[in-house]
Amino acid sequence: AQTVTQSQPEMSVQEAETVTLSCTYDTSESDYYLFWYKQPPSRQMILVIRQEAYKQQNATENRFSVNFQKAAKSFSLKISDSQLGDAAMYFCAYRSNGGTSYGKLTFGQGTILTVHP
Amino acid sequence: ETGVTQTPRHLVMGMTNKKSLKCEQHLGHNAMYWYKQSAKKPLELMFVYSLEERVENNSVPSRFSPECPNSSHLFLHLHTLQPEDSALYLCASSQGTGGGYEQYFGPGTRLTVT
Repeated sequence: AQTVTQSQPEMSVQEAETVTLSCTYDTSESDYYLFWYKQPPSRQMILVIRQEAYKQQNATENRFSVNFQKAAKSFSLKISDSQLGDAAMYFCAYRSNGGTSYGKLTFGQGTILTVHP
Repeated sequence: ETGVTQTPRHLVMGMTNKKSLKCEQHLGHNAMYWYKQSAKKPLELMFVYSLEERVENNSVPSRFSPECPNSSHLFLHLHTLQPEDSALYLCASSQGTGGGYEQYFGPGTRLTVT
């Protein structure tokens, strides 16, 4: 079974600074996707960024980028130029692309990000 | 309404009650999911429906009973729950169940079992 671990229960960053959230995962599969989701307080969870395991190039979405290290099974999220609206719980998630997983997302425990003005 | 909606947003029920959670997606998706989000625990997948057929039941107790009458609606029927079932229940939908399809989440129903 796959597992996802986020070792930082809480992180904080000053507005306009950069912060990196860590995520490691364990799998024996070679074909999968990794995701970072953002859950603001009392608001819906939304997808921040997605990485396909077979792509070596790290995904980027505006101020958000990942550092995907497949051999190390590491998938960190970097937020540049942090904004107050980035404050949220961030979840790392794994999804197999084969077999009988039927789209199951396996989530980490989450990291609460606080942004200080 | 756009996206994925859930009703009610908050629910308090006794252990002997029967209630239902409703999810509706307005995205034309073919797959729908129920997740449970408990305090200090990762989100747990409960059920997956693809084209209105249940394809995954992640060892969920029978006191939780899902229903998917069509591709736009998903229900979670609750009966004789336990206090440890108190959690945020999230519904999600996606175009398909393949690994690359993005799942869109609803706002959740905050359930408290007394």
